[in-house]
Amino acid sequence: DAKTTQPTSMDCAEGRAANLPCNHSTISGNEYVYWYRQIHSQGPQYIIHGLKNNETNEMASLIITEDRKSSTLILPHATLRDTAVYYCIVRVTGANSKLTFGKGITLSVRP
Amino acid sequence: GAVVSQHPSWVICKSGTSVKIECRSLDFQATTMFWYRQFPKQSLMLMATSNEGSKATYEQGVEKDKFLINHASLTLSTLTVTSAHPEDSSFYICSAPPGTASFSSYNSPLHFGNGTRLTVT
Repeated sequence: DAKTTQPTSMDCAEGRAANLPCNHSTISGNEYVYWYRQIHSQGPQYIIHGLKNNETNEMASLIITEDRKSSTLILPHATLRDTAVYYCIVRVTGANSKLTFGKGITLSVRP
Repeated sequence: GAVVSQHPSWVICKSGTSVKIECRSLDFQATTMFWYRQFPKQSLMLMATSNEGSKATYEQGVEKDKFLINHASLTLSTLTVTSAHPEDSSFYICSAPPGTASFSSYNSPLHFGNGTRLTVT
């Protein structure tokens, strides 16, 4: 079973920041938080991951609370192409460890 | 970056026939690959873990005799849906962790293929 909970859906206006929350209250010390997204009929696309420090890359920022029980993915300037299902996943440390997907959150970016 | 390629991207077959789906790591070696299935409006469900040179590990409820997995090389894993039926129609997706289990790749993200849409008529 997925170890994360996310809202079912949310929307935001194009050009604004999209803040996607995720709860992972049972996360273990050896588990990372990963974010992927899936655009319709495509394979999941990796966005970002982190352990306990906040992370930023060219796609997004990941803010992890100090107790690691929740996190927020931030898309700083959402575009219409960011409309997708976003999955927050906790994954055990290890090169060959698997990803277990939950239901994700559907982000709709409106013009 | 690491690229995973799946082929075919879509296939239509008749009930009772078998279909093979290929998953290739194009610029890295993968001792492990993961196979997922996704039904419409649902999330991805892990079916099995493919291990190079050894038997695949199947998730509970997945029939190993129906979904044959072969991982014969470090860059290729195949999933064969045997005696396909309409209920096997789904989106099949593979993924692989880049590189070997070195420290630098210890938490490297899994990379996914673009999926194969299987329709069984």
